[in-house]
Amino acid sequence: GENVEQHPSTLSVQEGDSAVIKCTYSDSASNYFPWYKQELGKRPQLIIDIRSNVGEKKDQRIAVTLNKTAKHFSLHITETQPEDSAVYFCAASLEQFYFGTGTSLTVIP
Amino acid sequence: DAGVTQSPTHLIKTRGQQVTLRCSPISGHKSVSWYQQVLGQGPQFIFQYYEKEERGRGNFPDRFSARQFPNYSSELNVNALLLGDSALYLCASSLVGPRNTIYFGEGSWLTVV
Repeated sequence: GENVEQHPSTLSVQEGDSAVIKCTYSDSASNYFPWYKQELGKRPQLIIDIRSNVGEKKDQRIAVTLNKTAKHFSLHITETQPEDSAVYFCAASLEQFYFGTGTSLTVIP
Repeated sequence: DAGVTQSPTHLIKTRGQQVTLRCSPISGHKSVSWYQQVLGQGPQFIFQYYEKEERGRGNFPDRFSARQFPNYSSELNVNALLLGDSALYLCASSLVGPRNTIYFGEGSWLTVV
């Protein structure tokens, strides 16, 4: 099956700085890569996603890039704000979703 | 529109007991999947159902079972509970089957003592 690795496990940034979270996947057949944000005690919420026929997608301060050859994809958050503090999960989808182990992002005011 | 709804939100069970968790998908969604999230980890896939048929099963023992009803709601059953089954159980729904965007419910927190 698919194996998704996510780095770093924790990330602290100053408010206004950028944050980057990276994931790698093992199965080249995976073709859908969503990112979820999970606040403490809450459900994971989809924040952005990308399909394998696209190299980059942007939504305001959030962007995702995909390198199919290298089998890795990244989440970029610019101009971070304290409300961006949460755990972020990447996932890769074959027939099912395989999630990374999460990155705990702290934005320091 | 209502999102994915799950019940119960919290429950405590004793080792060896059985538990049933319930999920109602977003209106119009025909696929439901179940995930187990242990504290500090990402969600782990348990089952996927689409049009009332099992479309995938993760690496979980036979103590775990599920079904989907004609109204597309779903139940997850876990028999002979172990301490290690303590986790957040998330239900997710999608419009159609595999490889489509999934939306999570708030989850059911299960504690086994």
